[in-house]
Amino acid sequence: AQKVTQAQTEISVVEKEDVTLDCVYETRDTTYYLFWYKQPPSGELVFLIRRNSFDEQNEISGRYSWNFQKSTSSFNFTITASQVVDSAVYFCALSEEPGGSYIPTFGRGTSLIVHP
Amino acid sequence: DTAVSQTPKYLVTQMGNDKSIKCEQNLGHDTMYWYKQDSKKFLKIMFSYNNKELIINETVPNRFSPKSPDKAHLNLHINSLELGDSAVYFCASSPRDFPSSYNSPLHFGNGTRLTVT
Repeated sequence: AQKVTQAQTEISVVEKEDVTLDCVYETRDTTYYLFWYKQPPSGELVFLIRRNSFDEQNEISGRYSWNFQKSTSSFNFTITASQVVDSAVYFCALSEEPGGSYIPTFGRGTSLIVHP
Repeated sequence: DTAVSQTPKYLVTQMGNDKSIKCEQNLGHDTMYWYKQDSKKFLKIMFSYNNKELIINETVPNRFSPKSPDKAHLNLHINSLELGDSAVYFCASSPRDFPSSYNSPLHFGNGTRLTVT
């Protein structure tokens, strides 16, 4: 069975600090996909990134970067120079194929609070 | 041009009532889902449905049932509502090549906040 662990329930930082949100996953499949979603206070779920298991290249998008390490089964998310607008709940998710379930399993989320 | 739309946005009802939440997607996707988000923000899959297969999370009470009149709609019917059903319910959809295609994430609706009193 697939499993996603986000050990950090809540993180509080001051604006302009860098912050890393951890995500550790468990799967028996060799082909799988990892996602990050953002849920701002308004409540909608916003897609941020998708990564497949055979692409370990890290990715940077503006102030956001993702570090995928298969050796430690982790897909961590770093926000550089955080801003108040980054305050949200962030979810990591996992889909498996072909042997497992394509239905995404979500971690419990990390609530990020950025203070001005 | 909303991609995945849910109605209503808010639903307040009394215990024992039967209610429905509607979901429509205009993305041409093949698979639709219902997730439940509890008060602690945990997102849990309830159903996944395409024109071939309904996958039900075994922990979902049979008071909950998905109804799909066509590929673009997946409504959620709830019978005999209980206090514990209070949550935010999210509809989502994905294309046929999910999750293998790079440009095919799961698309979510904006959620329906159900409050049972």
